Amino acid sequence: AAGVIQSPRHLIKEKRETATLKCYPIPRHDTVYWYQQGPGQDPQFLISFYEKMQSDKGSIPDRFSAQQFSDYHSELNMSSLELGDSALYFCASSLGLMLGELFFGEGSRLTVL
Amino acid sequence: AQTVTQSQPEMSVQEAETVTLSCTYDTSESDYYLFWYKQPPSRQMILVIRQEAYKQQNATENRFSVNFQKAAKSFSLKISDSQLGDAAMYFCAYRSFDNAGNMLTFGGGTRLMVKP
Repeated sequence: AAGVIQSPRHLIKEKRETATLKCYPIPRHDTVYWYQQGPGQDPQFLISFYEKMQSDKGSIPDRFSAQQFSDYHSELNMSSLELGDSALYFCASSLGLMLGELFFGEGSRLTVL
Repeated sequence: AQTVTQSQPEMSVQEAETVTLSCTYDTSESDYYLFWYKQPPSRQMILVIRQEAYKQQNATENRFSVNFQKAAKSFSLKISDSQLGDAAMYFCAYRSFDNAGNMLTFGGGTRLMVKP
């Protein structure tokens, strides 16, 4: 079965650079979530989209932005990168806002040097 | 806002034995979902088991079962016949049933080690 696809899997950037992460949800899933997991920490919710509209916003820095496109894929744009942005970024998808579990991608590991 | 607490940072179990991971949560809602996710060294989050709060029956998936105590706001995971492949971080997670706050809220995680 198709799963959530994230790209790139690994990304290395310098401080103050910009990074873009992509997420392709499971087919027919219309809701996408972004999570950030720092080393040794639990995943922290950043932002979610339902039917291409922002659904909820968590602890996402102002330097970050995201959107969901007409084909339901989502992109997380991160600018003015800081060392503390180094983390594993998960995308998850679900069918609808209220139905059951979230399915996670394998994550994109961002390292900021 | 909902909070999820896992009081055991680390647990260990002998292969083939049983272990129970604890989770408590705080919410004012009556309907919600609870989940246990497993995160092996590969780092992918894998769903282990889910429980709808309106269901009184405890969920079971093969060797994994939960003890859901709604009044006590407790949701523990029991792993029977532990296998080496069960070694991972386990996260308990809460999800609201309504439109507001439909994201997952995770606990701090429990690292499970399985001894051969």
